[in-house]
Amino acid sequence: QITLKESGPTLVKPTQTLTLTCTFSGFSLIKSGVGVVWIRQPPGKALEWLAFIYWGDNKHYSPSLKNRLSITKDTSKNQVVLTMTNMDPADTATYYCAHQSDIAEPHPFDYWGQGLLVTVSS
Amino acid sequence: QSVLTQPPSVSGAPGQRVTVSCTGSSSNIGADYDVHWYQQLPGGAPKLLLFADSHRPSGVPDRFSGSKSGTSASLVIAGLQAEDEADYYCQSYDSSLSGVVFGGGTKVTVL
Repeated sequence: QITLKESGPTLVKPTQTLTLTCTFSGFSLIKSGVGVVWIRQPPGKALEWLAFIYWGDNKHYSPSLKNRLSITKDTSKNQVVLTMTNMDPADTATYYCAHQSDIAEPHPFDYWGQGLLVTVSS
Repeated sequence: QSVLTQPPSVSGAPGQRVTVSCTGSSSNIGADYDVHWYQQLPGGAPKLLLFADSHRPSGVPDRFSGSKSGTSASLVIAGLQAEDEADYYCQSYDSSLSGVVFGGGTKVTVL
């Protein structure tokens, strides 16, 4: 059974750096084909892809945010960490991590965390 | 403005058939990249509803179906039920943007 859970601060100040952790179980990031993605959703708005990381440490970032994002993995802890620099109130959103399935191309996201609402405010 | 265009809302009475469209371009759906659909119930996380245009993950009722043609894809809910009231998002890949793209979402309301 695959589960994922996001953790991190729920309130950050403008210009600060946000660090979010996705802790997962039921799969391993050392297995070929496996990936984890970060997606966010501002209140009342659509989903937005941020970044993903694969088992071989390949990383891909949203072109519009790549200068502010970094994604890393710790396979021993079954965790994926996303950092986003220079936070702005426009970054207020629910942040989700999800498991990427390799059953199709592009990879669909078949298991999701519950999400973490992050508010950016002074 | 989302790369994939969906109608903001669609509605139907219980038992009716509703269609949610997802319109893209030659760099995403038109380039024959697979389209996936997600259902997001109120207050919940998205759930994979269909993958690779028309395939249902285990546990998804067969009243949900999907198709793709040209630069558009469609999600059909046949026999609408009260529990289908949710937001629905399409997702694909865009070669010009080199990344994953989502539609703006469609709220399905059961009258």
